[in-house]
Amino acid sequence: DVKVTQSSRYLVKRTGEKVFLECVQDMDHENMFWYRQDPGLGLRLIYFSYDVKMKEKGDIPEGYSVSREKKERFSLILESASTNQTSMYLCASSISGRAQETQYFGPGTRLLVL
Amino acid sequence: GENVEQHPSTLSVQEGDSAVIKCTYSDSASNYFPWYKQELGKGPQLIIDIRSNVGEKKDQRIAVTLNKTAKHFSLHITETQPEDSAVYFCAANPGGSQGNLIFGKGTKLSVKP
Repeated sequence: DVKVTQSSRYLVKRTGEKVFLECVQDMDHENMFWYRQDPGLGLRLIYFSYDVKMKEKGDIPEGYSVSREKKERFSLILESASTNQTSMYLCASSISGRAQETQYFGPGTRLLVL
Repeated sequence: GENVEQHPSTLSVQEGDSAVIKCTYSDSASNYFPWYKQELGKGPQLIIDIRSNVGEKKDQRIAVTLNKTAKHFSLHITETQPEDSAVYFCAANPGGSQGNLIFGKGTKLSVKP
């Protein structure tokens, strides 16, 4: 089975802190994604990556950056956390960009910024 | 860019009844339409998908229909069971892209025993 793991299920941070959310997939997938999920807004794409060291902006990249130094790991970085970044963060991966494939999601990290 | 609208936002049915969730999309280049189910405390999981060269697809109690002309697609769940209670998301690939998806806002389905 494909497994996507996220480093924390719950996280509490203070405004202005630098926050790292880690995601690891164990199936050698090329594509990885970061979404945030808010009530009534569904899933919104923050960033995605098709390969190591490659990244593409999604719909809401402002205030976030990402890092993909290894194929299996995709990190989301909040450079200076703000209260409006309190949300559920979901990581996903898919096999490749050669054909549309299933995205496999992790369990999510619920982030609270105080 | 692609816009995916999903209705209704909440749906309550009696066990054994059918449930229908509808989505519309704006980008005529979209050609892949998956449906995801999210149970409480878990990440979304693919339950069924359809590509633009097919009009309907079934998998046991779940079916999806696609009308490319009207740019809408629907999820049909028959003989609903309490374990079908979850949030369902539709999605489409913007510009026919082979990577990312644009998701609808979700439908919370409640199946009453």
